[in-house]
Amino acid sequence: AQKVTQAQTEISVVEKEDVTLDCVYETRDTTYYLFWYKQPPSGELVFLIRRNSFDEQNEISGRYSWNFQKSTSSFNFTITASQVVDSAVYFCALDATDKLIFGTGTRLQVFP
Amino acid sequence: DVKVTQSSRYLVKRTGEKVFLECVQDMDHENMFWYRQDPGLGLRLIYFSYDVKMKEKGDIPEGYSVSREKKERFSLILESASTNQTSMYLCASSLPDRGSYEQYFGPGTRLTVT
Repeated sequence: AQKVTQAQTEISVVEKEDVTLDCVYETRDTTYYLFWYKQPPSGELVFLIRRNSFDEQNEISGRYSWNFQKSTSSFNFTITASQVVDSAVYFCALDATDKLIFGTGTRLQVFP
Repeated sequence: DVKVTQSSRYLVKRTGEKVFLECVQDMDHENMFWYRQDPGLGLRLIYFSYDVKMKEKGDIPEGYSVSREKKERFSLILESASTNQTSMYLCASSLPDRGSYEQYFGPGTRLTVT
C-alpha cells in the first residue's frame, strides 16, 4: 500500500528560526516520485520540488533544502531562516503508480 | 505560465441540487485531476482523466461524476449534493508520463451544501 505520513500537524516558529518538516512514505515500488507542495492562505497549491527514487542527492534552493533518505523512507524539508511569507500548509506527496498520494499536511506559522 | 482556473471560488448549494464545478487549463495538458481537501485528511483524489472523453475513478468517486469533452476542460458533477460533500475542491493538470511531472493546481472551489 502507498502511504504518506506527515506527523507534524502544526509547527510555530519565530522569524529567522530554522524549521524542518518531516515526511515518511511507504511503497513497495522501486520506481517512484516524491513531491513537496506549498499551500499559502490563498489556497492554490504551489509545486516546490520533485525527486525520483533513484536520485538520493539532497537539494538546496535558496533557503529551502530537502533531505531524501531511502533507508528511512523519508523526504524531509528544511526552511532556513524562516520568514513570515513561509507561513502556509505544506504537503508531501508520493507517486508510485498512476496518481499522487498526499500526506495530511503540516501547517507552518512563522511569527514576526 | 501554466494557468488552471476554476469557475467559482465559493459556492453554496442546497441538498439534492445538481452541482457543476468547472476547471479549465491553458497549457494543453493531457492529464487532469479533481481532488477534495478536508481538514486532517489532506487531498483525496476523486477522478482523473488522461485524455478527452476518458476518465478513471480515484479513491473517493462515490457521489461524483466527471466530464471531459474538450482537452482543456474537466468538469466535476455532484449529481445530488449532500452535506457531506461540503469541502474544498481542487482541480489540477499535468503533462503525460504519470509520476514524472508535477501537477499544477487551480485556486480551489469552497463548496458548502446546506
